[in-house]
Amino acid sequence: ELKVEQNPLFLSMQEGKNYTIYCNYSTTSDRLYWYRQDPGKSLESLFVLLSNGAVKQEGRLMASLDTKARLSTLHITAAVHDLSATYFCAVDASNFGNEKLTFGTGTRLTIIP
Amino acid sequence: DAGITQSPRYKITETGRQVTLMCHQTWSHSYMFWYRQDLGHGLRLIYYSAAADITDKGEVPDGYVVSRSKTENFPLTLESATRSQTSVYFCASSTSGRLGYFGPGTRLTVT
Repeated sequence: ELKVEQNPLFLSMQEGKNYTIYCNYSTTSDRLYWYRQDPGKSLESLFVLLSNGAVKQEGRLMASLDTKARLSTLHITAAVHDLSATYFCAVDASNFGNEKLTFGTGTRLTIIP
Repeated sequence: DAGITQSPRYKITETGRQVTLMCHQTWSHSYMFWYRQDLGHGLRLIYYSAAADITDKGEVPDGYVVSRSKTENFPLTLESATRSQTSVYFCASSTSGRLGYFGPGTRLTVT
């Protein structure tokens, strides 16, 4: 059974600081997704990482994938209040690209002014 | 308007009733999904579909039925609702290897 673990589960950080959210998964996969969810809202797609060493960046967020370590990171640079949200990683371990995703439990990020 | 829509957005029903949640997407994405989101469990896949007339179970399929006669629609039916099915339900669509899109969600309460 695929397990996807995120840490930390809760993160409170000051504006302007850098931090990293970690996503570990338990089986071989080269497809990993990151999503953002604001309170009471739906999920917003952020990144898809499709190979070992893949790196994607959008604004202050950068995601990377190490398939050998079964680890993805979401790095936040110079955090701003607007980045406060819950961030989920999700893994497709099917190797067929059938998009059956297993989600982590999420990291609730709070940016303090 | 292009996108993915769900209806109803909010639903209260009684135990034992049949409930159908609707999902419609306008992108002609081949894959469609139903997830439920519960505190402490994150998102869990209920059912998914790779194409019209092709569906398969996810992690938590018991008590749910799906169908997909048309590419754009993927209804989810609770055959006999139970209180444990109180949750927020999200429909999603995608194409392989690309970012998926989630609908706005349906908040279902079973009393």
